[in-house]
Amino acid sequence: DIVMTQSPDSLAVSLGERATINCKSSQSVLYSSNNKNYLAWYQQKPGQPPKLLISWASIRESGVPDRFSGSGSGTDFTLTISSLQAEDVAVYYCQQYYSTPYTFGQGTKLEIK
Amino acid sequence: EVQLVESGGGLVKPGRSLRLSCTASGFTFGDYAMSWFRQAPGKGLEWVGFIRSKAYGGTTEYAASVKGRFTISRDDSKRIAYLQMNSLKTEDTAVYYCSRDYGDPAGYFQHWGQGTLVTVSS
Repeated sequence: DIVMTQSPDSLAVSLGERATINCKSSQSVLYSSNNKNYLAWYQQKPGQPPKLLISWASIRESGVPDRFSGSGSGTDFTLTISSLQAEDVAVYYCQQYYSTPYTFGQGTKLEIK
Repeated sequence: EVQLVESGGGLVKPGRSLRLSCTASGFTFGDYAMSWFRQAPGKGLEWVGFIRSKAYGGTTEYAASVKGRFTISRDDSKRIAYLQMNSLKTEDTAVYYCSRDYGDPAGYFQHWGQGTLVTVSS
């Protein structure tokens, strides 16, 4: 199984500042035949299901604010929120879909400083 | 609008069975793989398994933690995906979500239900 490890476990950032969450996979999730990274990011607020933010490591879902961006390749990935808003308080998860079982990082709790 | 509604959760004793349903609307149900996930109280997300569409054989895959105990099935005429859970353990206590795959399967998930809570306790 591919193990996904996020850092940090929790993060406090001031409103308007940048937030950066890292995700590392135990093996590459880059599929060489199509040069795509099989990596997604989700946001989950209390009492709600996860919301897909980004797929293929960097493709933002329709309707997701452009302050959210994803980057990285192979085994190392980053979710960046360029200017933190109050509504961004949530837990963020990375997920690999390179192979089953699909696996998630342990989550990063993002709070306002 | 895509909607997914889970039902069937509740309190069940260890060793017993429970069947969850996921009723879908707003899309051509039979064209997509459907997955189940779970989230134990205060914990992270865990993929439970998926079922492919009939076009891809309707085959299933499962997480090791539930393989042999849980079974996913689908009734395309009713637009329902099922999660049959047997030999339940206390560690199966979680909110269970169904989700529509982006493809068949693609492996990432835009549409989720609100979840149904399963509590396994004596």
